[in-house]
Amino acid sequence: QVHLQESGPGLVKPSETLSLSCSVSGGSMIGYHWSWIRQTPGKGLEWIGYISHIGSTDYNPSLKSRVTMSVDTSKNQFSLRLNSVTAADTALYYCARTWGTYPDFWGQGTLVTVSS
Amino acid sequence: EIVLTQSPATLSLSPGERVTLSCRASQSVSSHLAWYQHKPGQAPRLLIYDTSSRATGTPARFSGSGFGTDFTLTISSLEPEDFAVYYCQQGGNWRPLTFGLGTRLETK
Repeated sequence: QVHLQESGPGLVKPSETLSLSCSVSGGSMIGYHWSWIRQTPGKGLEWIGYISHIGSTDYNPSLKSRVTMSVDTSKNQFSLRLNSVTAADTALYYCARTWGTYPDFWGQGTLVTVSS
Repeated sequence: EIVLTQSPATLSLSPGERVTLSCRASQSVSSHLAWYQHKPGQAPRLLIYDTSSRATGTPARFSGSGFGTDFTLTISSLEPEDFAVYYCQQGGNWRPLTFGLGTRLETK
């Protein structure tokens, strides 16, 4: 069974960069996309984007100008960077394996708060 | 962006009851729709993909139907472990991938 675990700072200052990593275990990264999804009380679940095992990306247009994703298959990890954060980026961030266009295995999520 | 509208927002039901959840898309997504179950403190779980295909481990009491803009998830007889929030999500070629706001099933 595939297992995903998010990690990273739980508190980020406004205007700085949010950086999260996702460790994948129990399966290969090859042949799948790897998504970041966030959840807020107001907007619900929001797909941030995904990256393939070879590094091709597809980002949500609403966040595209601030998002960078990377993947390291040798470490079974992929990462998210979101720059110029504001309070609106406070959310529970999930990483997920994505089969086609369906996130089929998710991490438990990590709460990131943007505050000074 | 395709907007998914789920209804109702909350349902209060008892174990053993049959329930149907609705998801309506702002434009056709063909059959590219999935359903997820989410319990507090847990990872969301894929239940149904491509409208009606059960993901591995999804019990047979869960079934999905629909096409185009109107979709339903039916639970034939609620078990205690089914009380959770259910989300629909559209896939296919439409970007960004989007989710509905969810329907909460709570115990009556």
